[in-house]
Amino acid sequence: QKEVEQDPGPLSVPEGAIVSLNCTYSNSAFQYFMWYRQYSRKGPELLMYTYSSGNKEDGRFTAQVDKSSKYISLFIRDSQPSDSATYLCAMSLLIQGAQKLVFGQGTRLTINP
Amino acid sequence: NAGVMQNPRHLVRRRGQEARLRCSPMKGHSHVYWYRQLPEEGLKFMVYLQKENIIDESGMPKERFSAEFPKEGPSILRIQQVVRGDSAAYFCASSQSQDQPQHFGDGTRLSIL
Repeated sequence: QKEVEQDPGPLSVPEGAIVSLNCTYSNSAFQYFMWYRQYSRKGPELLMYTYSSGNKEDGRFTAQVDKSSKYISLFIRDSQPSDSATYLCAMSLLIQGAQKLVFGQGTRLTINP
Repeated sequence: NAGVMQNPRHLVRRRGQEARLRCSPMKGHSHVYWYRQLPEEGLKFMVYLQKENIIDESGMPKERFSAEFPKEGPSILRIQQVVRGDSAAYFCASSQSQDQPQHFGDGTRLSIL
C-alpha cells in the first residue's frame, strides 16, 4: 500500500464548476499537508500549506484536512481554464531535523471553456 | 526572478557519461532538497542538504549518485555512468527552515541515449 493515495484522473469539468480533489494517507504521524499545482514542463507550485485539521481558505481555493480519517481535500471554486494542470497532494513529518515530502501520484485536471 | 533556479533545463547524455545538475535556492533559503519524477510516477524524495552538510540521503540510490551543497555556489546533483533508467525529471526545492514549506524549481529533464 502506498503511503499517499491520489486518484490520477483525468478529471474534466466545465468552466465555473466546483472541483474536489482528494488524497488519503496511511501514516498517522504526518504533520504537514500541502497541495501543489504543476503545469506541463514546469515545477510544482505551492498552493496550500497547513498543519492542522480543519479548513484553510485562500481565494478560490480551500484545503481541508481530516486527520482522524487520514483524508485531505482541495476545493476549487469558480474553476477557470487556467486551472487546468496536474494537482499534487504532499505530506510530511519532521524526522531528525529533516522534512521530506511524500507525494501522491497527481490528478490531471482539465477545465473546459 | 527570486525563485529556485535549476540548470540546465534539458540535459542529454549517452550511457556511461556523467550528468551534473545544478540548483540555486531561493534567496534566504539554506535548505535544499532533490526529488526525482519518473514518467507516470509521482515525485520521490532523494536527498536533503544544508550548507556543506548532507542531512538525509535515504532516497538516493546507493551507487553512482551523489549530492553536495558547498559553502559558495549552487547545490549539485551528480550522476556517474548514467544508464537509461536515469532518464527522468529532477527537481530541486528549497525552504527557509526545516518546518517551512518547500518551493520548487522548474526541474532538469535528463534524457539518456
